[in-house]
Amino acid sequence: QVQLQESGPGLVKPSETLSVTCSVSSGSISSHYWFWVRQSPGKGLEWIGRIYYNGNTNYNPSLKSRATISIEMSRKVFSLKLASVTAADTAVYYCAREVNWKVDSWGQGKLVIVSS
Amino acid sequence: QAVVTQEPSLTVSPGGTVTLTCASSTGAVIGASYANWFQEKPGQAPRSLIYGTSGKHSWTPARFSGALVGGKATLTLSGVQPEDEADYHCLLYYGDSQVWVFGGGTKLTVL
Repeated sequence: QVQLQESGPGLVKPSETLSVTCSVSSGSISSHYWFWVRQSPGKGLEWIGRIYYNGNTNYNPSLKSRATISIEMSRKVFSLKLASVTAADTAVYYCAREVNWKVDSWGQGKLVIVSS
Repeated sequence: QAVVTQEPSLTVSPGGTVTLTCASSTGAVIGASYANWFQEKPGQAPRSLIYGTSGKHSWTPARFSGALVGGKATLTLSGVQPEDEADYHCLLYYGDSQVWVFGGGTKLTVL
């Protein structure tokens, strides 16, 4: 079973760029899609977007203008950058793996607070 | 963007059976929606339960099952256990735009 671990700053100032990285271990980052999902306090899960190992991306239309997902095969990591953040972007950010439309592995989540 | 709708909350007695549903604003949920279901408990990451409408992961308890019923994806828990009290989320794929959309989640209370 692949292991996923999120990392990054836990506090970001409003209007700045949020950055979270997911490290992939005990498995290959080659092939499959790699997801980002978030959960704001007291709310449901929100799909942010995904990246294929070849770099192709798909995004939630509501976040597409601010989100960028990238992948570094050599380091076995993929990353999320979310620009121009506000308090509404405060959430736990999860990474996950999708294999042929099957979401099977999740990271433990990274809480990111947007506050001055 | 499509909206995916789940029951906000349901209550079931221990040992009972409960069915959670997942509907799409764009029409019937179909096989190509590749419905996934997840269980989430407080302070924990979501845990994948069902994929591709009815597929089970190796760790999915036998009492959980998925199906398509009446144009919706369903998750049925048979012989509910106290530890099944959790939030349950469905996730649907929209192939025309290649995006996934989560439902709002169902809070299941075992009482």
